[in-house]
Amino acid sequence: DTGVSQDPRHKITKRGQNVTFRCDPISEHNRLYWYRQTLGQGPEFLTYFQNEAQLEKSRLLSDRFSAERPKGSFSTLEIQRTEQGDSAMYLCASSRSGGEAFFGQGTRLTVV
Amino acid sequence: EDQVTQSPEALRLQEGESSSLNCSYTVSGLRGLFWYRQDPGKGPEFLFTLYSAGEEKEKERLKATLTKKESFLHITAPKPEDSATYLCAVQVVRDTGKLIFGQGTTLQVKP
Repeated sequence: DTGVSQDPRHKITKRGQNVTFRCDPISEHNRLYWYRQTLGQGPEFLTYFQNEAQLEKSRLLSDRFSAERPKGSFSTLEIQRTEQGDSAMYLCASSRSGGEAFFGQGTRLTVV
Repeated sequence: EDQVTQSPEALRLQEGESSSLNCSYTVSGLRGLFWYRQDPGKGPEFLFTLYSAGEEKEKERLKATLTKKESFLHITAPKPEDSATYLCAVQVVRDTGKLIFGQGTTLQVKP
């Protein structure tokens, strides 16, 4: 399967802990996006990479959130000092320039 | 502000009962409108892209149409396996390609 892959699928963490999620995009896609989705809502944009450059960050992305895409391949999203409000599904998507975006299965984060 | 609104929020149909989902949008300049299907606990699955008013796309029992202010997803003779949340999203011209999503319509098709 050559789709977008996310790891882990589920993460339960205690408030205050740091968590890191990984996304492996479709190999020929140069664009990578992170979204957050809460129950009953559509996904909300968090950040965007073109190759290894992070070109846009949403106001939703507080200082506790950081994302990287070293060498323009896989990406990581780290949340420091997690809060209960961070509980959500974190989705990664990739695309070619001008093409449609394909999503991974997401990482479900629960902060207890 | 760019905005997408979907209606209804939830829709229950009997198997074979055709209907339509609505996606209204307000954007500074539309590059494309996208429809996705999402099953519970999974990521969105791409269905269609529409770029200009009057365009139509079809896939099995689904047909998407686009006007200058809204898009419709028509479901003809639905089956229980069509039950899912259907998401509409827009891309804005001169933007990064990020998607602005509506809140989705949850469709339940009963046998």
